[in-house]
Amino acid sequence: NAGVTQTPKFQVLKTGQSMTLQCAQDMNHNSMYWYRQDPGMGLRLIYYSASEGTTDKGEVPNGYNVSRLNKREFSLRLESAAPSQTSVYFCASSEALRASGATDTQYFGPGTRLTVL
Amino acid sequence: GNSVTQMEGPVTLSEEAFLTINCTYTATGYPSLFWYVQYPGEGLQLLLKATKADDKGSNKGFEATYRKETTSFHLEKGSVQVSDSAVYFCALFRPSGNTPLVFGKGTRLSVIA
Repeated sequence: NAGVTQTPKFQVLKTGQSMTLQCAQDMNHNSMYWYRQDPGMGLRLIYYSASEGTTDKGEVPNGYNVSRLNKREFSLRLESAAPSQTSVYFCASSEALRASGATDTQYFGPGTRLTVL
Repeated sequence: GNSVTQMEGPVTLSEEAFLTINCTYTATGYPSLFWYVQYPGEGLQLLLKATKADDKGSNKGFEATYRKETTSFHLEKGSVQVSDSAVYFCALFRPSGNTPLVFGKGTRLSVIA
């Protein structure tokens, strides 16, 4: 049981390049999330998927797209990377965000450290 | 909107000292409250949680009590160890809106032997 896995662990891009960050969970969770972590800013939600087939914008969605490929996988795409997107990206999952009485304990992956030059 | 404010760090303590990290929140209704911990180079892990007023969450010697009257969820530990050195995040959960889990900015704790 690996929990939440993310690939790659590190990536360096040039401005304007594109890439996709991959995330998978093996806990049969319905909800998945993408966050970015910047110094002094805590974690900010980029996009989330409450259930398979749905995605919603979070606090900072501009410059990103997501795909909920199936129940296990949730990818984050940068179409044209910018230096402002230099950050550490975390994927997380939870049992069921919208379930009645849900308290949404989230489980995090190890992160992807992205640098855009 | 919903928000979490936690004390700014860094906090440096000697081993076996008492730890308090303050956290207050703003939210409508009765959110669930969490403390997450991030060890160097790792993702966040749930440390403890409380889902209703007066609940006390506890784990690994850490405790926090959900105080509705003061909208607080302060983290405490009676005797810290070097292995507790990490960044601690307070968070609240409200299922509505575009940010269901709202995090504080984190407090870095360093424990020296």
